[in-house]
Amino acid sequence: GAGVSQSPSNKVTEKGKDVELRCDPISGHTALYWYRQRLGQGLEFLIYFQGNSAPDKSGLPSDRFSAERTGESVSTLTIQRTQQEDSAVYLCASSSSWTYRYEQYFGPGTRLTVT
Amino acid sequence: AQSVTQPDIHITVSEGASLELRCNYSYGATPYLFWYVQSPGQGLQLLLKYFSGDTLVQGIKGFEAEFKRSQSSFNLRKPSVHWSDAAEYFCAVGPPGGGADGLTFGKGTHLIIQP
Repeated sequence: GAGVSQSPSNKVTEKGKDVELRCDPISGHTALYWYRQRLGQGLEFLIYFQGNSAPDKSGLPSDRFSAERTGESVSTLTIQRTQQEDSAVYLCASSSSWTYRYEQYFGPGTRLTVT
Repeated sequence: AQSVTQPDIHITVSEGASLELRCNYSYGATPYLFWYVQSPGQGLQLLLKYFSGDTLVQGIKGFEAEFKRSQSSFNLRKPSVHWSDAAEYFCAVGPPGGGADGLTFGKGTHLIIQP
């Protein structure tokens, strides 16, 4: 079956612009996660959704970052007024349920470059 | 706060030779432990995980890892590497028994396979 997909695969934007990153989880997966991977760094957890609710948003790096999820499917991560330090690969993952939250399946990521 | 250390940024191994990638963690209790692999252009793939029980865990692609509580380590091993094993490897920890946080990742070890 289809895995986690993300779009766009690459995004170049000018500093100060807003961007939207999209994640399509595996069908039927109720839990969804966003991570950020800066060059040469490990993954940084941003936010997770159980269904369409996000119980904990404290991992988002600033109030310029927001995320939402429609039902138990697509999620979008929005970065407003992008800064150069936002340049990174943004990874999305899903798992079948909160019980299996550690068996996460990752998408290929969106590489964001802020110029 | 929890942290994961992968002391080797790069490792070069000859094809057919054995491999050990090091991972140390800092955590208040025994966390859940994971190894992921990220091949170029691919999403992260879970190699293996440790929750409890037998400290030697087997994963996919011939990999295994051993949890050593006294050393706070979870090193990844493979007896004979193949050229296709060249990739970035990430060790990760998760809070045991629950918690809203996602996984905490190390910075990764880049594995290079020499012919």
